[in-house]
Amino acid sequence: LAKTTQPISMDSYEGQEVNITCSHNNIATNDYITWYQQFPSQGPRFIIQGYKTKVTNEVASLFIPADRKSSTLSLPRVSLSDTAVYYCLVGANQGGKLIFGQGTELSVKP
Amino acid sequence: GAGVSQSPSNKVTEKGKDVELRCDPISGHTALYWYRQSLGQGLEFLIYFQGNSAPDKSGLPSDRFSAERTGGSVSTLTIQRTQQEDSAVYLCASTLASGGADTQYFGPGTRLTVL
Repeated sequence: LAKTTQPISMDSYEGQEVNITCSHNNIATNDYITWYQQFPSQGPRFIIQGYKTKVTNEVASLFIPADRKSSTLSLPRVSLSDTAVYYCLVGANQGGKLIFGQGTELSVKP
Repeated sequence: GAGVSQSPSNKVTEKGKDVELRCDPISGHTALYWYRQSLGQGLEFLIYFQGNSAPDKSGLPSDRFSAERTGGSVSTLTIQRTQQEDSAVYLCASTLASGGADTQYFGPGTRLTVL
């Protein structure tokens, strides 16, 4: 299973763009990259998923270089409510088990 | 139901007692996962079910931990002879299929405190 490495914490201010990079050097050919967000006292929730290049939804963008050994979650114009822990996961399309790393604790300040 | 539910939301028990934690996945979801999250830590994978079978039990921390799933729906995580280090939030998630690329929908968790 591919291991992921993320910064433990990041600080930002309201209105800024935040980029969180995750390293996954041992990613397998059939692995997808998924990001989750977790608020205190809640379970994680899905943000975005991709396989290669760029994916964008109403919440975030995900950039994946050609070698797929890393990925960057981009949150445009963050607000205080984006303060949370963000987890990067790498998992195969079959075989279920996922490993959550320590995540990145994002703190957005006014 | 609309989402994954877990019960109880909070459980306080004495060291040495057995506890049962319940998870009701989203209807129709075939895969179910249990995780444990200690205070300020990331999620620790415990076990996952595909239907009623558990292909991967490698995350269970000791033989005091067991889990079952019946009817391809409800799952119960049992911790026997609880220890203080078992105190954590136990999270359950379900997915439509068993693929690692499938979105996991998490329940609110059960906060277990062992005195």
